[in-house]
Amino acid sequence: AQSVTQPDIHITVSEGASLELRCNYSYGATPYLFWYVQSPGQGLQLLLKYFSGDTLVQGIKGFEAEFKRSQSSFNLRKPSVHWSDAAEYFCAVGTGGFKTIFGAGTRLFVKA
Amino acid sequence: NAGVTQTPKFQVLKTGQSMTLQCAQDMNHNSMYWYRQDPGMGLRLIYYSASEGTTDKGEVPNGYNVSRLNKREFSLRLESAAPSQTSVYFCASSVSGRAGGTDTQYFGPGTRLTVL
Repeated sequence: AQSVTQPDIHITVSEGASLELRCNYSYGATPYLFWYVQSPGQGLQLLLKYFSGDTLVQGIKGFEAEFKRSQSSFNLRKPSVHWSDAAEYFCAVGTGGFKTIFGAGTRLFVKA
Repeated sequence: NAGVTQTPKFQVLKTGQSMTLQCAQDMNHNSMYWYRQDPGMGLRLIYYSASEGTTDKGEVPNGYNVSRLNKREFSLRLESAAPSQTSVYFCASSVSGRAGGTDTQYFGPGTRLTVL
């Protein structure tokens, strides 16, 4: 069965510092992989997705993620965090159809 | 262009009461979804509608019913609410039924439901 693990429940980084959020997935075939962001009181917004091609994917708001098949990982990165990036981030895996399996989320706190 | 809208934003029910959560999208999407979000568990799919006139169960359908009223609207009904249904409910839509594939899924702002 497909599953997604986000090992960090919450992370605190200083404004201007780099960020990496970890995501590991379990799926037998080549997965469709997603990162979503949820700002307080809002719905989820897609940051980026991977389903084929270049394993380094660029997204909105300056985020990128790298698919590493050998490690079953899809970590999200940003070189310099802004205070407005404080939110909850969800990694998700899909099988190509209607179903998306979400991780439990990582809450990002940004300190001045 | 409002995207995906949900009503109400907040609701408190007593055990055994019923209610309907409304969702509408104005992006001409074919597919719509209902999720629930619980702390530490991410989002779980309750029901989805691949196209107008069709609905299918997701991961956690028990205690819920849905209606795809037309292409724009997809409602979620709790017939007899239970405390276990306290959650935040999100509606989403996508162009086709490939939310777990090549589609981009668009989410509404959510309904926070408390069942006492």
